[in-house]
Amino acid sequence: GEDVEQSLFLSVREGDSSVINCTYTDSSSTYLYWYKQEPGAGLQLLTYIFSNMDMKQDQRLTVLLNKKDKHLSLRIADTQTGDSAIYFCAEGRSNNDMRFGAGTRLTVKP
Amino acid sequence: GAVVSQHPSRVICKSGTSVKIECRSLDFQATTMFWYRQFPKQSLMLMATSNEGSKATYEQGVEKDKFLINHASLTLSTLTVTSAHPEDSSFYICSASLGGAIVNTQYFGPGTRLTVL
Repeated sequence: GEDVEQSLFLSVREGDSSVINCTYTDSSSTYLYWYKQEPGAGLQLLTYIFSNMDMKQDQRLTVLLNKKDKHLSLRIADTQTGDSAIYFCAEGRSNNDMRFGAGTRLTVKP
Repeated sequence: GAVVSQHPSRVICKSGTSVKIECRSLDFQATTMFWYRQFPKQSLMLMATSNEGSKATYEQGVEKDKFLINHASLTLSTLTVTSAHPEDSSFYICSASLGGAIVNTQYFGPGTRLTVL
């Protein structure tokens, strides 16, 4: 199977919370990342979490990591239309290598 | 800070021609640069990793002679798609890593849309 898996689509209403989930396979991953890609653009690093942490919060973003289950999630509070984009989960390996999921397309409806 | 640019943003070329894409780190020196290819509705596929002054390391299945990578300085890497064919049409994204940092954070360029007719 794929190294990093994500569901492809998520649709929420403006003001609701969005939760994007990701599973990965490499238990030796040191950092896990969330990137945002807007149409026709490159990737923007949103946040990252060190593998020995359970949670990281940064303004509207909350990252939860369950290392035992190799499960990562990104919660966006008070989701806005400007949050509509593709969100990529990535695991960083010790050799500078990064593996990306296929991306979750978040659609925010007014 | 940590801005990466790519040029051109879009390019259309005829089959059989070569296309060069530039990736620049604008406000930092990048010890390592990465080239990715992204297919519609798919993830980024790492093509190669390049370190300044040395040969690029290509991922399995990526043709070295077709995708030439040059990393001449700490702020510039180029990807040349030689003898391009329609199947090479894709979105190519580069990234640059600061290196030496605990966090292997890659900063991505805005991407180059290549269309081969």
